[in-house]
Formats: sequence, structure tokens, C-alpha cells
Amino acid sequence: EVQLVESGGGLVQPGGSLRLSCAASGFTFSDHHMDWFRQAPGKGLEWVGRSRNKGNSYTTEYAASVKGRFTVSRDDSKNSLFLQMNSLKTEDTAVYYCARDNQFHAFDIWGQGTMVTVSS
Amino acid sequence: DIQLTQSPSFLSASVGDRVTITCRASQGISSYLAWYQQKPGKAPKLLIYTALILQSGVPSRFSASGSGTEFTLTISSLQPEDFATYYCQHLNTYPITFGQGTRLEIK
Repeated sequence: EVQLVESGGGLVQPGGSLRLSCAASGFTFSDHHMDWFRQAPGKGLEWVGRSRNKGNSYTTEYAASVKGRFTVSRDDSKNSLFLQMNSLKTEDTAVYYCARDNQFHAFDIWGQGTMVTVSS
Repeated sequence: DIQLTQSPSFLSASVGDRVTITCRASQGISSYLAWYQQKPGKAPKLLIYTALILQSGVPSRFSASGSGTEFTLTISSLQPEDFATYYCQHLNTYPITFGQGTRLEIK
């Protein structure tokens, strides 16, 4: 079965750090660009960042709201995507999703999401 | 950044109705537009990509069209399971952005 499973969410204080993981299975992970998205409670979807595949030198892109604080990385040998979040702010509180780029400028496989709460 | 504006933001309709949602881009995005359905507490589900291609497994009552700056998603005959929030999304340039969402509710 093709699936993505996120983990690592939780409660963290402002200024703290958290590392999210996304485990992929059922497809050739290394072929795909992979992205992180988030959704604050009661709000719409927001793109966070991207890790391109090996063929594109694993280059990354970030939303302005997280650039310099968040880092997307991947380990193709473990079929895993990561999101390192530093200097967290209350406005980073959201459900975080990883998703697979279907190679046609859209995201066809999504994880179930992991909740990150930034609060003192 | 490219802004995507969906209309309407809220839609009340009945089972069997035909509904159309519009997504307008602040600048041309060719056909790099996708549509998603999201139900409460669930991840988004891809419905349409490259503006008009139906994702595998999505019922044929969903269709879409458009290019450039104006796009539409149509549901030909609403079913009970279609009541959800719908988002458009572009991947023409970075940052990737979404429309604000259209909440489709049962009348």
C-alpha cells in the first residue's frame, strides 16, 4: 500500500525546536520530490517547504514564513522525509502534513498529519 | 507571490445539484493547477491535476477546466459524500499557494 506516515509532533514552548518525520512506503521514494504543508486550526492549507529528488540534487525550497528557521531533508535509504523546526513561534501551531509530488505539479499522496502546538 | 482566489467561499446545495467553483490566479499559471477535497480531520485528497486531468479513482461527476488565470471545478450531481471543503493549488512558481477554500454544505 502506498502511504506516508508522519510522526514527531507535540507541544513545544516558543523558541523551542521539533523534528518531524515522514515515513514512506509502497513506492520508489527516491524518484519523487516531497513537500511539507501545514494547516492551522480552522484555517486553510499552507505550503511549508520542498525537497527535490536525487536527480535534482536534493535542492530545497521554503515558504518565506519559515525560511531560516525550518529545514527539509530526506534519507532515501530509509524512505524518510524530515522537517527540522527551530525558533518555533505560536503561529507555527498547526497540523503538519507530508505529501508526494506526482510529477505533474500536484500532490497525490498525503500523510495523516501530525499536530504541532507551540505554547507556553 | 501568486494569489489564488476561490469563489464562492461558501456554497449551500442539495444532493443531485450541479455546482461550480471558480479559482482565479493573480497571474498566469498555464495549466499548473490542482484541486483537492478535504473533509474535517482528514488530509486533502487530490481530485484534479494539470487543470483538467481526473485523478485515478475520483468519480467522473467531478470535472474541471481552465488555463492561464481562470479555472473551474464542477460537480455534476452532488452526492452526500461530496460535502466538504475544496481547495485549488498552483505549482507554477514558488511559493506554492492555495486558494482560501470553498466550503460546500448541505442545504
